[in-house]
Amino acid sequence: DAGVIQSPRHEVTEMGQEVTLRCKPISGHNSLFWYRQTMMRGLELLIYFNNNVPIDDSGMPEDRFSAKMPNASFSTLKIQPSEPRDSAVYFCASLPGLGSYEQYFGPGTRLTVT
Amino acid sequence: SQKIEQNSEALNIQEGKTATLTCNYTNYSPAYLQWYRQDPGRGPVFLLLIRENEKEKRKERLKVTFDTTLKQSLFHITASQPADSATYLCAPDYGNNRLAFGKGNQVVVIP
Repeated sequence: DAGVIQSPRHEVTEMGQEVTLRCKPISGHNSLFWYRQTMMRGLELLIYFNNNVPIDDSGMPEDRFSAKMPNASFSTLKIQPSEPRDSAVYFCASLPGLGSYEQYFGPGTRLTVT
Repeated sequence: SQKIEQNSEALNIQEGKTATLTCNYTNYSPAYLQWYRQDPGRGPVFLLLIRENEKEKRKERLKVTFDTTLKQSLFHITASQPADSATYLCAPDYGNNRLAFGKGNQVVVIP
């Protein structure tokens, strides 16, 4: 298995632009998490899907952030409009479910907003 | 809200010695706690899970303890090797498969 796949690996954009981050979870996993990691705040949970349904989006910073999971093999995190304070590494993780609790992380997308 | 504390200072340790990391949490009672390893430029990788009714868990050279009274977990790497150099993240759960991650503790194993 290729593991969790994220794209792009790096994204540099200007303030005000729309940014879309993509994630393909491990096949058969039924939960998906989006995290943001910064030096100041560490790894923060943004949103959590179970069976493609958003369960907890309380970590989404504001209305500029939105996430979708149209099917079991794909999810997107969109920021519109982007701001410099959104610069961070964004991770996607998937969870097998069925009594297994370990999360499998992707390689992350490093976002820089100038 | 959940608060997870890990030592922000890097732990420098001689090869062969035991590295011990501390994780303290407040404001809630997790059913289990996980430890992850993160290397620079990569995503965290799961190492160990310990449940609230377990005092200790071992995996090869790793050992984790969980004290629900003290609200603390200790993570030990015995016979440390340079390849163990990384950042280690503590992650108690707060329900519904969600984890609250600490900022991590960097370990540097000196040959």
